[in-house]
Amino acid sequence: DGGITQSPKYLFRKEGQNVTLSCEQNLNHDAMYWYRQDPGQGLRLIYYSQIVNDFQKGDIAEGYSVSREKKESFPLTVTSAQKNPTAFYLCASSSKTAANTEAFFGQGTRLTVV
Amino acid sequence: KQEVTQIPAALSVPEGENLVLNCSFTDSAIYNLQWFRQDPGKGLTSLLLIQSSQREQTSGRLNASLDKSSGRSTLYIAASQPGDSATYLCAVSRDTGRRALTFGSGTRLQVQP
Repeated sequence: DGGITQSPKYLFRKEGQNVTLSCEQNLNHDAMYWYRQDPGQGLRLIYYSQIVNDFQKGDIAEGYSVSREKKESFPLTVTSAQKNPTAFYLCASSSKTAANTEAFFGQGTRLTVV
Repeated sequence: KQEVTQIPAALSVPEGENLVLNCSFTDSAIYNLQWFRQDPGKGLTSLLLIQSSQREQTSGRLNASLDKSSGRSTLYIAASQPGDSATYLCAVSRDTGRRALTFGSGTRLQVQP
C-alpha cells in the first residue's frame, strides 16, 4: 500500500530533551512537509523540502530541525529550544508535477512534555 | 500573507440534511485548493482537490466549488450521515515559490442520527 507512515504515534519528552519524529513515504513524492496542530487551530508549517538535500523554514521553524538525506524520509527533531512542544505533528507529501499536486498526510504523532 | 477563514466553526445538523461549509482566502493568487477531513486524533484525509483553473470538483455526495477571483470556496455535502461527523479543513497553496498549504481552522461537523 502506498502512503505516509509516521512514528511513533505517541511520544513523551522530558524538559531539555531532544526527540525525533519519523516520517517515511513510498509515494515517490519529491516534496515533503511538517506541520504542527494545536487544539482548535488549523495546521501551521514548520519545515518543507522540495528535493533531497534541500529544505526550507516554514512559519514556525524555531526550535525544530530537519534533514532530507533520502527522498522517502523527512525526520523532524524537536529540540530543547522549542519551549512549548506539546502538540500534534503531521507529515505530508506531494508530487511536484503540474498534473497532480494533491497533498497526502500521515496519521500524526502526538508529542507531550512530561 | 495568505489567510484562510472557515465559517462556521461548528455545525450540528440532523441526518439527511444537505449542508454547505464555507472557506475564504485573502490572496487570490493560488495554485490549488484542497478540502480535507480529520477525525479526532487522526491525520488528514484528502476529499477534493481543485486546481486554480477549475470551478468545481465532485466525489460522491461531496461537491466543492472555487471562485478564485472572490477568494471563496464551498464544500457541499448532500444527504448527510452520522459517519460524516468530523472536522473539515480547507487549505490553499500559492501559485509561485513555496507550494506548501495554508490552512483554515476548520469546521467541526456533527450529524445527529
